[in-house]
Amino acid sequence: AVQMTQSPSSLSASVGDRVTITCRASQGIRNDLGWYQQKPGQAPKVLIYAASNLQSGVPSRFSGSGTGTDFTLTISSLQPEDFATYFCLQDYNYPWTFGQGTKVEVK
Amino acid sequence: EVQVVESGGDLVQPGGSLRLSCAASGFTFSSYWMSWVRQAPGKGLEWVANIKEDGSEKYYVDSVKGRFTISRDNVNNSLYLQMNSLRVEDTAIYYCARNKAVAGRFYFDPWGQGTPVTVSS
Repeated sequence: AVQMTQSPSSLSASVGDRVTITCRASQGIRNDLGWYQQKPGQAPKVLIYAASNLQSGVPSRFSGSGTGTDFTLTISSLQPEDFATYFCLQDYNYPWTFGQGTKVEVK
Repeated sequence: EVQVVESGGDLVQPGGSLRLSCAASGFTFSSYWMSWVRQAPGKGLEWVANIKEDGSEKYYVDSVKGRFTISRDNVNNSLYLQMNSLRVEDTAIYYCARNKAVAGRFYFDPWGQGTPVTVSS
């Protein structure tokens, strides 16, 4: 199974900060990776698919990059509504696997 | 509105069975792969199972193989997860999600609100 190592597991940031979260795959997964945001008590929602494609309706401050084994989610200017947990998911092969999650907290 | 709504979660004893349902609306259900994803209390997300549009292909995470069965009813726009031989470690919120495909890459959208399954004596 492809292992997804996500880092950091948590971070503290302020409104307006630039935030970067990474996922590293244990083998090459092309660009078969998505990023999801989850707020407490809510279902996750997709932010980025195919590594760098912004889902419709998602603010442009979110961006994704990477291919192969190393991927990045960037929030260019953190907003109050962005404090949440973020997960990556690889759909390159079965079993699909998530990263462990990154909790973005208020500094 | 495109949505999926899960139901069927409950408290069940170890070794017991449960059947989860997911009702889809607002889209052509028979045209999409569908998935179950779970989240144990305070933990991360775990993909559980996928089923192809016509039900001809099914995939499972190793930990549920032989115990869980994913199925679908394209007439009634419903997805199911039959869970047998339940274990304490199956305790989680179970989410139903539609798979959207773009050039062979998939992503989950939308997700349901989840249904809780608790396995405990």
